[in-house]
Amino acid sequence: GDSVTQMEGPVTLSEEAFLTINCTYTATGYPSLFWYVQYPGEGLQLLLKATKADDKGSNKGFEATYRKETTSFHLEKGSVQVSDSAVYFCAPMEYGNKLVFGAGTILRVKS
Amino acid sequence: GAVVSQHPSRVICKSGTSVKIECRSLDFQATTMFWYRQFPKQSLMLMATSNEGSKATYEQGVEKDKFLINHASLTLSTLTVTSAHPEDSSFYICSARWGSSYEQYFGPGTRLTVT
Repeated sequence: GDSVTQMEGPVTLSEEAFLTINCTYTATGYPSLFWYVQYPGEGLQLLLKATKADDKGSNKGFEATYRKETTSFHLEKGSVQVSDSAVYFCAPMEYGNKLVFGAGTILRVKS
Repeated sequence: GAVVSQHPSRVICKSGTSVKIECRSLDFQATTMFWYRQFPKQSLMLMATSNEGSKATYEQGVEKDKFLINHASLTLSTLTVTSAHPEDSSFYICSARWGSSYEQYFGPGTRLTVT
């Protein structure tokens, strides 16, 4: 089955710093790719997605590009805020609409 | 947006007893619900997929007789942990989607502690 390797955290940044969270995956075929975010005390929420190679998903200032050649889907944001502090999960969707989650990366943003 | 609730949010039970966790879609009809388990500092592991009105499909290594899943209506799925043991202590999360939509909406999770 598919698998995901995600950047280990926690990642601690100052406000307005640039963020990158790396994600690489192994899969048969070309799965749709997702980033989910879990804010403290809340359920996972879809942050962004990309469904085919070279697609760029974006939302709330976050971006990730589907790189087929490197099987990667790195999450980036140009200027993080304290409110971005959360756990971020990379997840390809394999056959049968099953999400395969990475280990999650804790992001802490300090003011 | 679509809201999924779980009840209870936390439960403590004694070893050998059974505990039921409910997952409800509050403002949409969930044709498919998923149950995940999350260990501390680890990823979510899919336990089973349930479609309304049919038997759940369990992932490899998940004991279907221990983790009973019922998806009796389009808004409710239940997970019953039978004869719970301390190793079943974990964070259980459900998600739901409708039709052929790719997006899953997640509940806030249930923390189970077995003493």
